[in-house]
Amino acid sequence: QSALTQPASVSGSPGQSITISCTGTSSDVGGYNYVSWYQQHPGKAPKLMIYDVNNRPSGISYRFSGSKSGNTASLTISGLQAEDEGDYYCSSYTSSITVIFGGGTKLTVL
Amino acid sequence: QVQLVQSGAEVKKPGSSVKVSCKASGGSFSSHAITWVRQAPGQGLEWMGRIIPKIALAHFAQHFQGRVSMIADKSSGTAYMEVSSLRSEDTAIYYCAGSSYGSRVDAFDMWGQGTLVTVSS
Repeated sequence: QSALTQPASVSGSPGQSITISCTGTSSDVGGYNYVSWYQQHPGKAPKLMIYDVNNRPSGISYRFSGSKSGNTASLTISGLQAEDEGDYYCSSYTSSITVIFGGGTKLTVL
Repeated sequence: QVQLVQSGAEVKKPGSSVKVSCKASGGSFSSHAITWVRQAPGQGLEWMGRIIPKIALAHFAQHFQGRVSMIADKSSGTAYMEVSSLRSEDTAIYYCAGSSYGSRVDAFDMWGQGTLVTVSS
């Protein structure tokens, strides 16, 4: 099963908003509201930022939000800050009772 | 919150096996399932499979079936993942992960620190 499709990179200036897309199929993203987003800084383990499409774990800034339309999920980061720079991965539960990750998006804060 | 602590880095020869451990710091699994994810150098995250310790049920990504095994020792709160017939492409950081959100097998809010496995002759 191929990875979910994410843009390789996105960038934005401090204070701006950016959106990262995550495209799958009806067997994963489109079929379940079990999309999660992870942030990963170099040399660190991934950190859960969004689960169930649009829920934030405790302690995650309101600046992070998620949505989904059809087979595409999106992560929006508003009020971009320097510490938001890093790699972002989406994931989805699948009809094969597995989990699939996106290829990852490198966010650069200009 | 329970922390997941993994075993140390390993260097292995091609064709050999490696076993990585993941211990729940509180001594018991608070997560319904322990999932293993790997990340090759400079690459993305790859879901390998999971085990549900309570019923010792494991499920693997098709890519790893037959070459990966997972077990969980409930008494010590430790999960193990073994990869056999190692090849250079298996060089990666291997993470264990879990979810504190009930019986979820996704939404990983708990991660081990990662174990680097290097396969080299």
